[in-house]
Amino acid sequence: GAGVSQSPSNKVTEKGKDVELRCDPISGHTALYWYRQSLGQGLEFLIYFQGNSAPDKSGLPSDRFSAERTGGSVSTLTIQRTQQEDSAVYLCASSLVAGVGTDTQYFGPGTRLTVL
Amino acid sequence: AQKVTQAQTEISVVEKEDVTLDCVYETRDTTYYLFWYKQPPSGELVFLIRRNSFDEQNEISGRYSWNFQKSTSSFNFTITASQVVDSAVYFCVYGSGNTGKLIFGQGTTLQVKP
Repeated sequence: GAGVSQSPSNKVTEKGKDVELRCDPISGHTALYWYRQSLGQGLEFLIYFQGNSAPDKSGLPSDRFSAERTGGSVSTLTIQRTQQEDSAVYLCASSLVAGVGTDTQYFGPGTRLTVL
Repeated sequence: AQKVTQAQTEISVVEKEDVTLDCVYETRDTTYYLFWYKQPPSGELVFLIRRNSFDEQNEISGRYSWNFQKSTSSFNFTITASQVVDSAVYFCVYGSGNTGKLIFGQGTTLQVKP
């Protein structure tokens, strides 16, 4: 079956612009996660959704970052007024239900964001 | 706070050699989960294994085996008779309780040369 998909695969933007990154989870998966992978910081958790609600937003690095999920499916990660330090690969994952003890997270191919 | 340490940044072996990737974690949780993920050059993270804190049985899957020892807070991963296709970055990962948050180690880059 289809895995997690993300779009765009690559995004180049200018400093100060807003960007939207999209994630389509595996069909039937109720939990959705966002992570960021950068050279300096490794792989970091950003936020996760169970259905449309976000119980844990603790990883969002600043108020320029926000995420939403509607209809319990597609999620959008928005970065406002991008900065060069936002350059990274943004990874999305989904699982059947939330909770690391209950189900495995399956990852998408990522969106590589470059801020010039 | 929980932490995962993969002390080996890069490992290079010749095909058919055995190789062990080390992972040490820190936690005060009583219930937690440990994972290994593989990230090949294509970039997509691939799930390999999940263990919970109550099950210290070693696990073997083909050429892969995992050794979980709570006494030393370690969860090491061994590849037997390595192959070029095993070349990738391997991440040891921690998760606790019912949260969705995974904490990744820094990753170990494995290069298997023909």
